[in-house]
Amino acid sequence: DAKTTQPNSMESNEEEPVHLPCNHSTISGTDYIHWYRQLPSQGPEYVIHGLTSNVNNRMASLAIAEDRKSSTLILHRATLRDAAVYYCILRDRRGGADGLTFGKGTHLIIQP
Amino acid sequence: DGGITQSPKYLFRKEGQNVTLSCEQNLNHDAMYWYRQDPGQGLRLIYYSQIVNDFQKGDIAEGYSVSREKKESFPLTVTSAQKNPTAFYLCASSRGLAEDTQYFGPGTRLTVL
Repeated sequence: DAKTTQPNSMESNEEEPVHLPCNHSTISGTDYIHWYRQLPSQGPEYVIHGLTSNVNNRMASLAIAEDRKSSTLILHRATLRDAAVYYCILRDRRGGADGLTFGKGTHLIIQP
Repeated sequence: DGGITQSPKYLFRKEGQNVTLSCEQNLNHDAMYWYRQDPGQGLRLIYYSQIVNDFQKGDIAEGYSVSREKKESFPLTVTSAQKNPTAFYLCASSRGLAEDTQYFGPGTRLTVL
């Protein structure tokens, strides 16, 4: 799987939008962009994924650059419960059921 | 409720002992995975299984063994050959396609004394 680059940490205020960036300049045409998050002492949970078009779900939005070399996870109104490590992961859709490759992710801090 | 269970949540063992971590899922998923997480790091893949009676080594399989005799169960044995076994172990499952979501269990924190 291609490599992703994320900031080590970001800080935001409660009830404000949060934009978490991810660079993936070596992405291939068959790579999905997945986002997971991990709350302290818990297993990761799926947030959202996309291929080319922007995606929305009840948790977040995913904005994908036109050249697909970067993407942004958008939390529209952060709460204290959104404080977690967020991982941006590429998955080759030809890869089948092999595992996810996690980097260190972005540690999101939410200030009340 | 459907989901993945791991037991126990905390496990202590003496150095040199083998220990088996349990992972059960009732999501009817074909694929199951074991990851290891060290403090401040991302998850690393130990083993994965795409179907019953079949499994493949991940990036850090040395010192670990698995079995997949039932679709619902994927136990991980941490053997005495694993040099640094103290870590947070996470099990996951998915339907088996690359774009599918992986669902994670709550994890087992293993401490070897």
